[in-house]
Amino acid sequence: AQRVTQPEKLLSVFKGAPVELKCNYSYSGSPELFWYVQYSRQRLQLLLRHISRESIKGFTADLNKGETSFHLKKPFAQEEDSAMYYCALKENAGNMLTFGGGTRLMVKP
Amino acid sequence: DAGVIQSPRHEVTEMGQEVTLRCKPISGHDYLFWYRQTMMRGLELLIYFNNNVPIDDSGMPEDRFSAKMPNASFSTLKIQPSEPRDSAVYFCASSRQGLSYEQYFGPGTRLTVT
Repeated sequence: AQRVTQPEKLLSVFKGAPVELKCNYSYSGSPELFWYVQYSRQRLQLLLRHISRESIKGFTADLNKGETSFHLKKPFAQEEDSAMYYCALKENAGNMLTFGGGTRLMVKP
Repeated sequence: DAGVIQSPRHEVTEMGQEVTLRCKPISGHDYLFWYRQTMMRGLELLIYFNNNVPIDDSGMPEDRFSAKMPNASFSTLKIQPSEPRDSAVYFCASSRQGLSYEQYFGPGTRLTVT
């Protein structure tokens, strides 16, 4: 069965510092990976997907199949990036998402 | 569009009582998902529907939990009888056919069972 692990429950950085939120997965097939974000008092929403290879709000994530990782990175964190971040996996032919435990990012001024 | 609507937003009940959570998906969406969020276990998928039909309910914890989707615009998640360990935030999400990965979440229902 597939599994998504986010080893850090809380990550605290200063504004302007680089940030990396870790995500590791276990899945025997070819997965699709996503990052979801929940800002304070807002709904959980899709941030980015690995297939699109895009940068959203300065965040990027590269799928590393060798390390089975999909870490979320941003070179210079902003206070408005403070939120709860979830990594999620979808089986290639499936419709369900398996979420990691989430990492709370706090960006201090 | 108001997005996915969930009610109630907060529910406090006593152990043994029946609890019914409600969800209205976004119009035109074919998939509906129920999740439970706790500190210990994170976000867990309980059940999901496609075109009102339950597809996978393997995440439903036990027989005390049941979910229905009588039509395309309404779903319920029922817990009977409720127990303190059911205390969590319950989310409903919906998505379109072919875009099941892009799920639109509701605001959640915070359930407290005393």
